[in-house]
Amino acid sequence: DGGITQSPKYLFRKEGQNVTLSCEQNLNHDAMYWYRQDPGQGLRLIYYSQIVNDFQKGDIAEGYSVSREKKESFPLTVTSAQKNPTAFYLCASSLNSLPYEQYFGPGTRLTVT
Amino acid sequence: ELKVEQNPLFLSMQEGKNYTIYCNYSTTSDRLYWYRQDPGKSLESLFVLLSNGAVKQEGRLMASLDTKARLSTLHITAAVHDLSATYFCAVDIDNDMRFGAGTRLTVKP
Repeated sequence: DGGITQSPKYLFRKEGQNVTLSCEQNLNHDAMYWYRQDPGQGLRLIYYSQIVNDFQKGDIAEGYSVSREKKESFPLTVTSAQKNPTAFYLCASSLNSLPYEQYFGPGTRLTVT
Repeated sequence: ELKVEQNPLFLSMQEGKNYTIYCNYSTTSDRLYWYRQDPGKSLESLFVLLSNGAVKQEGRLMASLDTKARLSTLHITAAVHDLSATYFCAVDIDNDMRFGAGTRLTVKP
């Protein structure tokens, strides 16, 4: 079965700790994305990558970092510099051609106390 | 900068009624997407609209796109409780996809 997996589903951390969220896809998609969703809000783009070893900042990249060493994987690190890291994090992937439709993983809910 | 606005943001409907959700966007694009999100869950793709005049239907939902007016609509026919969810539209320009704030739909018996 093709799809996107994110782990873990729930993550709890203390303030000041870095944490890495996993995102893996076996859809053979070129592009991958990370979004943040706060309660009752829409999605905001953190980082995206259209090709291996290349990525660009989205609207809210401060306090986050990513890597794209393999086509299938796009991990997101939430650093201690991120002021309000508690949120629902969604990973998505798409082809770099029409229809550019993004497919979403199940999400990781991060709570930092 | 591309802006995407949905209205209404909250919608409470009676079962069996019809209603329309609107999605306006600020910059010319012919790539528009509708997603559904259930509480605590991820986003599920509903419709992909890729040209002016495109119309797609699935069950009680029908989506359309007017690129000249920069407007997409999601029409709900004879609503049922199972349609209760948050619906997002998203517009893509050069792989920069922007989401609306979402319309939280509640269908009551």
